[in-house]
Amino acid sequence: DIQLTQSPSFLSASVGDRVTITCRASQGISSYLAWYQQKPGKAPKLLIYAASTLQSGVPSRFSGSGSGTEFTLTISSLQPEDFATYYCQQLRTFGQGTKVEIK
Amino acid sequence: EVQLVESGGGLVQPGGSLRLSCAASGFTFSSYWMSWVRQAPGKGLEWVANIKQDGSEKYYVDSVKGRFTISRDNAKNSLYLQMNSLRAEDTAVYYCAREDGPRPFDYWGQGTLVTVSS
Repeated sequence: DIQLTQSPSFLSASVGDRVTITCRASQGISSYLAWYQQKPGKAPKLLIYAASTLQSGVPSRFSGSGSGTEFTLTISSLQPEDFATYYCQQLRTFGQGTKVEIK
Repeated sequence: EVQLVESGGGLVQPGGSLRLSCAASGFTFSSYWMSWVRQAPGKGLEWVANIKQDGSEKYYVDSVKGRFTISRDNAKNSLYLQMNSLRAEDTAVYYCAREDGPRPFDYWGQGTLVTVSS
């Protein structure tokens, strides 16, 4: 089974910061990777699929890149509403999550 | 507007059973694979099971095989998860989610909490 490892697990940042989260797959997965945002008490929300395609309605400050075994989610300028936990996912496997908190 | 509404969660004793339901609206339910995904308190997301459009294919995470059964009723636009022989480690919020090809899990319900405790 493929394993997904996110880094870091926890990130402290300020509004306006550029933030990058990495997801590494235990074997090559081409571009079949998605990213989700989850706020406390809420369902996850799809942000990016196919590694770099922005889901409809998602702000353009979010972007994704990568292929094979290494992927990144970048938030170009962190906004107050972006403080949340982010997960990568491929097929039936999720990463362990990255919590983004206010510095 | 796509909506997924779960129900059926609650408190159940270890070894007990529970049936979760997910009512779908706003899209052609019979055209999509559907999944259940769970999240234990304070933990990450775990895919549990999914089912093909016509119910002919079903897949499960190893930890629930033989205990959980996913099913659907396309006439009622509903997804189900029958959970038997429940264990404490099954305690979680259970979400139903729509699968849309390259856009996995593009819509989620609000979740229903299952607590397994004596």
